[in-house]
Amino acid sequence: NAGVTQTPKFQVLKTGQSMTLQCAQDMNHNSMYWYRQDPGMGLRLIYYSASEGTTDKGEVPNGYNVSRLNKREFSLRLESAAPSQTSVYFCASTQEVSNQETQYFGPGTRLLVL
Amino acid sequence: QKEVEQDPGPLSVPEGAIVSLNCTYSNSAFQYFMWYRQYSRKGPELLMYTYSSGNKEDGRFTAQVDKSSKYISLFIRDSQPSDSATYLCAMRYSGGYQKVTFGIGTKLQVIP
Repeated sequence: NAGVTQTPKFQVLKTGQSMTLQCAQDMNHNSMYWYRQDPGMGLRLIYYSASEGTTDKGEVPNGYNVSRLNKREFSLRLESAAPSQTSVYFCASTQEVSNQETQYFGPGTRLLVL
Repeated sequence: QKEVEQDPGPLSVPEGAIVSLNCTYSNSAFQYFMWYRQYSRKGPELLMYTYSSGNKEDGRFTAQVDKSSKYISLFIRDSQPSDSATYLCAMRYSGGYQKVTFGIGTKLQVIP
């Protein structure tokens, strides 16, 4: 049981390049999330998927797209990277049991856009 | 004004001390309150989860929520060097599974 896995761990892009961040969970959770974490800003929600086949915008969706490929996988795509997208990206999935929600986070992807 | 305010620290304490970490918030609709621990270069992990006002204890950790003051706290008793991490408070309103608001985190260092 690996929990939430993310690839790659680290990536350097040039402005204008594109890339896809991959996330997978093996806990059979319905909900999955993408966050970015920046110094002094805390974790901010980019996109989320409440269930397979659905996606919705979070607080900071501009410049990103997502795909919920199946129940396990939720990818985040940067079509044309900008220096403002330099950040640490975390994927998370959520278990909801008896009205208690537990979010499990992946180890993160550190992205540097030059 | 941010919805959730948290002092970023850093907070340095000697081993064995009682640590108090706090957050204030402005949205009275928040009903669920969480504390996460994040080690350097790792993802956050859930420590405590509480609903509405009151206290919750788990081992050396106690979470307190005072909704009347819009103030939440995490206490760590007998702090250990392994507790050195960044602690994030988070909160959401009822039914708002997709809308969790995080504090910026307080960096804690426990000195042996």
